[in-house]
Amino acid sequence: EDKVVQSPLSLVVHEGDTVTLNCSYEVTNFRSLLWYKQEKKAPTFLFMLTSSGIEKKSGRLSSILDKKELFSILNITATQTGDSAVYLCAVGGGNKLTFGTGTQLKVEL
Amino acid sequence: SQTIHQWPATLVQPVGSPLSLECTVEGTSNPNLYWYRQAAGRGLQLLFYSVGIGQISSEVPQNLSASRPQDRQFILSSKKLLLSDSGFYLCAWAQGYNSPLHFGNGTRLTVT
Repeated sequence: EDKVVQSPLSLVVHEGDTVTLNCSYEVTNFRSLLWYKQEKKAPTFLFMLTSSGIEKKSGRLSSILDKKELFSILNITATQTGDSAVYLCAVGGGNKLTFGTGTQLKVEL
Repeated sequence: SQTIHQWPATLVQPVGSPLSLECTVEGTSNPNLYWYRQAAGRGLQLLFYSVGIGQISSEVPQNLSASRPQDRQFILSSKKLLLSDSGFYLCAWAQGYNSPLHFGNGTRLTVT
């Protein structure tokens, strides 16, 4: 059975801190790993990673994939209160993605 | 640009009543369409996906069914709701086989 494990389950940081969120996986058919941000309702797409060692970056967020060790990290630098959300990792391919349970991030002033 | 609409946003239904949740996508053609359920403390669970009109794949046997009567319309149904059907239902679309999913705002269903 495919498995995606995210850690930590939750964390609280102060504005300006840097955070690293982790995602490890065991799937039978790997095509890509995706990161999403979920605030109140719809998860919004952040990154899609398919190749090891290539960092994807968008503003203060960045992510990298290690296909040998089967994990990915999502970094957020200079955190802001607007970064407070649940961050979801999903792995798989084609029409079948397996999601982790997410990391709940709270950024305080 | 593409947009996805999902309604209603919240729904409270008694056990044994029918269900119909609707999702439509605008700004694209022949999208792959998905229904997910998100339960508290659990990851998103894929319920159904569709690669074309009338083509439905079921991932989890349960009390629900899905239909795709038009290219950009996806419907989730039940004839008789169970308490265990309560949850947060999300519709999503993707353009192609290995593209990111884009989610609707979800329907919070409470079965009482």
